[in-house]
Amino acid sequence: QVQLVQSAAEVKKPGSSVKVSCKSSGGTFSKSAISWVRQAPGQGFEWMGGIIPIFGTTNYAQNFQGRVTVTADESTSTAYMELSSLRSDDTAVYYCARGPHHYDRTGYYRKAFDVWGQGTMLTVTS
Amino acid sequence: EIVLTQSPGTLSLSPGERATLSCRASQSVSSNYLAWYQQKPDQAPRLLIYDASSRATGIPDRFSGSGSGTDFTLTISRLEPEDFAVYYCQQYGSSPGVTFGQGTRLEIK
Repeated sequence: QVQLVQSAAEVKKPGSSVKVSCKSSGGTFSKSAISWVRQAPGQGFEWMGGIIPIFGTTNYAQNFQGRVTVTADESTSTAYMELSSLRSDDTAVYYCARGPHHYDRTGYYRKAFDVWGQGTMLTVTS
Repeated sequence: EIVLTQSPGTLSLSPGERATLSCRASQSVSSNYLAWYQQKPDQAPRLLIYDASSRATGIPDRFSGSGSGTDFTLTISRLEPEDFAVYYCQQYGSSPGVTFGQGTRLEIK
């Protein structure tokens, strides 16, 4: 069973940066995308960006262009999301999730986010 | 960007009743790449339905999804106490990324 385990909660000051990790176990890390989604308190979900580790290709939501960087380390099966120039409205729970892009022996296919990390609470406060 | 609009915002029902949740897209969802998730307080979402109508692994058959194009429905045939939660739809067919609906809260009447 694939599991995604995220790093612990963070408290940051406005203007600083944060880097959240997401470690995969129990499956083939490289051939499935890892996406990052956030949920502000009492709100819905906002997709931020993602990476396909085997290719290193990334894509980002327009709202976060220039502020978010997603990377992956295949040797440790870990994905990272770094968010810079933090503001108070970045306070949210940040999730990593597997999908939607996948590659296997049959080729490329899409699937919904079938595995989620437990979430990392980020609080931005002065 | 595809905008997903869920209705109703809140649904009040009793255990044993049938729940029908709606998700409408601003444009056609490619290949019906539409999913439904359940989220309980302080938990990560759980995938219920993918590709509009396929149940995810381990999901009880009282959950079913239907629809195509721009109109999709999640039906819970007979509500159990553990089904009261918030439900989100998501489309994953567009590039570069996915979008979510704003959620439907299913509460006990």
